[in-house]
Amino acid sequence: NAGVTQTPKFQVLKTGQSMTLQCAQDMNHNSMYWYRQDPGMGLRLIYYSASEGTTDKGEVPNGYNVSRLNKREFSLRLESAAPSQTSVYFCASSHSGGDGYEQYFGPGTRLTVT
Amino acid sequence: LAKTTQPISMDSYEGQEVNITCSHNNIATNDYITWYQQFPSQGPRFIIQGYKTKVTNEVASLFIPADRKSSTLSLPRVSLSDTAVYYCLVGVQSGGYQKVTFGTGTKLQVIP
Repeated sequence: NAGVTQTPKFQVLKTGQSMTLQCAQDMNHNSMYWYRQDPGMGLRLIYYSASEGTTDKGEVPNGYNVSRLNKREFSLRLESAAPSQTSVYFCASSHSGGDGYEQYFGPGTRLTVT
Repeated sequence: LAKTTQPISMDSYEGQEVNITCSHNNIATNDYITWYQQFPSQGPRFIIQGYKTKVTNEVASLFIPADRKSSTLSLPRVSLSDTAVYYCLVGVQSGGYQKVTFGTGTKLQVIP
């Protein structure tokens, strides 16, 4: 199993450009998440999807949109990139149901907006 | 969401036991306590999770007192490869998603 995969690994954008970050998981998890991590900081939740067909805002959703394409895939879109969106973006997934939980993270996408 | 407080950084010599304490005074009844490890340029990785008392797995132990207002991650005999940032999270699964907040974590530096 590949776990959680993300593409691309690196991306440089100019201010105002758009792009979509892709995420896929092969663990049959119901829940998926997008986080951003700024230098020296913890992770902040952008959007999450509790199950296929549903998405909800997290802590810092402004400037982003998401699509839960199917159970496996959860994409993050920046419609008009801004320098403040320079960050490392992590996708994660988790099983839902039962007691407790564990999130599995992808390797991240390092995005620079100039 | 319960807020967590943990030391910003810690140093330890190789071979020593390391204990990282996390404070979570407003933990709710349904909240679990989870610890993640993050190496530079990688996503966080689950270490251990508990609800009360003590939990042990092959890499760490987690001690939770009866009032659950704090928890301690114990790493036995650390090595250089344990140098990483360690995050304490408190949260619950609700509505199919896990409501947790990542703080700034504790940066552990293992010294040879």
